[in-house]
Amino acid sequence: ETGVTQSPTHLIKTRGQQVTLRCSSQSGHNTVSWYQQALGQGPQFIFQYYREEENGRGNFPPRFSGLQFPNYSSELNVNALELDDSALYLCASSGTGLYGYTFGSGTRLTVV
Amino acid sequence: GESVGLHLPTLSVQEGDNSIINCAYSNSASDYFIWYKQESGKGPQFIIDIRSNMDKRQGQRVTVLLNKTVKHLSLQIAATQPGDSAVYFCAAANAGNMLTFGGGTRLMVKP
Repeated sequence: ETGVTQSPTHLIKTRGQQVTLRCSSQSGHNTVSWYQQALGQGPQFIFQYYREEENGRGNFPPRFSGLQFPNYSSELNVNALELDDSALYLCASSGTGLYGYTFGSGTRLTVV
Repeated sequence: GESVGLHLPTLSVQEGDNSIINCAYSNSASDYFIWYKQESGKGPQFIIDIRSNMDKRQGQRVTVLLNKTVKHLSLQIAATQPGDSAVYFCAAANAGNMLTFGGGTRLMVKP
């Protein structure tokens, strides 16, 4: 059984640019969610996808968007990057009827 | 909305002692709670969970206690080991299984 894998592991972008982060769900999981974790803080919920549709969103602006593909993998896109977007971005997956999530190791995004 | 907080940012314990990490939550409608362990450079790792219809659940060396009256939960780690050193987060899940995390407690184990 494979876990949740994320790519890339590290990324440096310039303010104003756009970024795409990728996530492969754990085998058998059909729900994926994304979290932003600033340094020294707990993860904050960005949004959740189920059956390729967004079914929940946290307090993040529209420039944070996502996709879920038929194989349940997912992307997080962030447009017009700001310095405060620098954080660890975590992807997590879960299966039908299961509570809680399995997390990936994250993508460390630095905006300069 | 839900907010989740932890009582101490850092906890230092002697190897072999028991550790207790506390957490408070605000939304009485939260029905599922999870404790995660996060080591440096890694994502949160599931430790133990508990549903709101329970007040105690035990795992291997870990116990979670839930007090719904005061909206408080705790994580107890027995015979703490150096490998337990990490940041511990509690999280509360809403009906849509979306998690609200607390700020984390860093557990430091002294040899």
